[in-house]
Amino acid sequence: GNSVTQMEGPVTLSEEAFLTINCTYTATGYPSLFWYVQYPGEGLQLLLKATKADDKGSNKGFEATYRKETTSFHLEKGSVQVSDSAVYFCALSQIKAAGNKLTFGGGTRVLVKP
Amino acid sequence: DADVTQTPRNRITKTGKRIMLECSQTKGHDRMYWYRQDPGLGLRLIYYSFDVKDINKGEISDGYSVSRQAQAKFSLSLESAIPNQTALYFCATSVSGGQGEQYFGPGTRLTVT
Repeated sequence: GNSVTQMEGPVTLSEEAFLTINCTYTATGYPSLFWYVQYPGEGLQLLLKATKADDKGSNKGFEATYRKETTSFHLEKGSVQVSDSAVYFCALSQIKAAGNKLTFGGGTRVLVKP
Repeated sequence: DADVTQTPRNRITKTGKRIMLECSQTKGHDRMYWYRQDPGLGLRLIYYSFDVKDINKGEISDGYSVSRQAQAKFSLSLESAIPNQTALYFCATSVSGGQGEQYFGPGTRLTVT
């Protein structure tokens, strides 16, 4: 079955540091890939997505590139802010699979210190 | 106004009690989902519905039931709550023909004592 593996946290950074969160997946075919962000006390928000190989999703200074050859979708941001402190989830979806379900990684908590 | 709302936001109940969590959406989406979130496990799918007459079990449906009262409403019930159902519960929606992204409500924190 499908699975998503992402680096365990917490990841602690200083403001303006570079952030990378690794995400790899296992799936048959060509899934769509997503990053969701969960701020404290809130639900999940879609951060960015990519639907085919070599696509780059970007939003709010975050980027991730769909790498089919390495089955990866790593999240990056060049200069983090305290407001980026949150839990980040990598997820995949296969449109043609039954249920169109999202399969999530375990989440990575990021803490940005001033 | 939030597109996906959940009530209640917090609930404490006792073992053996029946409880219902409700979800409403104004996004006009046809598909709705219930997930639970446990620390370190990400989100796991409980039930999903592609329209009012289509209900499907997810990976962890035991001990739960659902009702799709209308396109905009999807309720999750715990018939007899047990402590290991203590978790954060999320409702989500998506549109058929989309690219698979789902939109989440703010969550309900449920504690079973």
